[in-house]
Amino acid sequence: DAKTTQPTSMDCAEGRAANLPCNHSTISGNEYVYWYRQIHSQGPQYIIHGLKNNETNEMASLIITEDRKSSTLILPHATLRDTAVYYCIVRSYNTNAGKSTFGDGTTLTVKP
Amino acid sequence: EAQVTQNPRYLITVTGKKLTVTCSQNMNHEYMSWYRQDPGLGLRQIYYSMNVEVTDKGDVPEGYKVSRKEKRNFPLILESPSPNQTSLYFCASRGETGQETQYFGPGTRLLVL
Repeated sequence: DAKTTQPTSMDCAEGRAANLPCNHSTISGNEYVYWYRQIHSQGPQYIIHGLKNNETNEMASLIITEDRKSSTLILPHATLRDTAVYYCIVRSYNTNAGKSTFGDGTTLTVKP
Repeated sequence: EAQVTQNPRYLITVTGKKLTVTCSQNMNHEYMSWYRQDPGLGLRQIYYSMNVEVTDKGDVPEGYKVSRKEKRNFPLILESPSPNQTSLYFCASRGETGQETQYFGPGTRLLVL
């Protein structure tokens, strides 16, 4: 699986959009971009994923650049409960791809 | 409700005393995996299983064993725990295709004295 690079930490004001970047310059054509978050020491929670088109769900939007080398997770109206570590990972849709690598993630702190 | 359960949630033990952390999922998922999380080191994969009787090493398998005799269960076994295995452990499962999202358990906090 391709390696990802994320900023170590970011701050965001409550009610504003939080934009979390991820670099995955070595991504290959059969790899999806996934975002998870981990609140305190709970189990990571799935947020969203995409291949090449932008995606949106009830939690967030995912913007993937045309060359697929980077992406941005957008939380449109951040709340204090969105304070968490956000992980960007890339994973092949090959059914034999059992290995899964999480980087260090970005610690997002939403401030009042 | 779709869920991954782990037991125990907290465990204190001593060096060398064999222990098992259980993991169970109710989603009929083919794929299951164990991770450990340590401060500053993120989530690291220990072992994974693509289906019953099919397991393989992740990035940090030393000192651990797993088995997958039934689809729903994937226990993590520490035959002779050592203090460097003190960590927060997560079990996860997903469907067999690469598009499937992973569901994580609540975690097991292990302290080895």
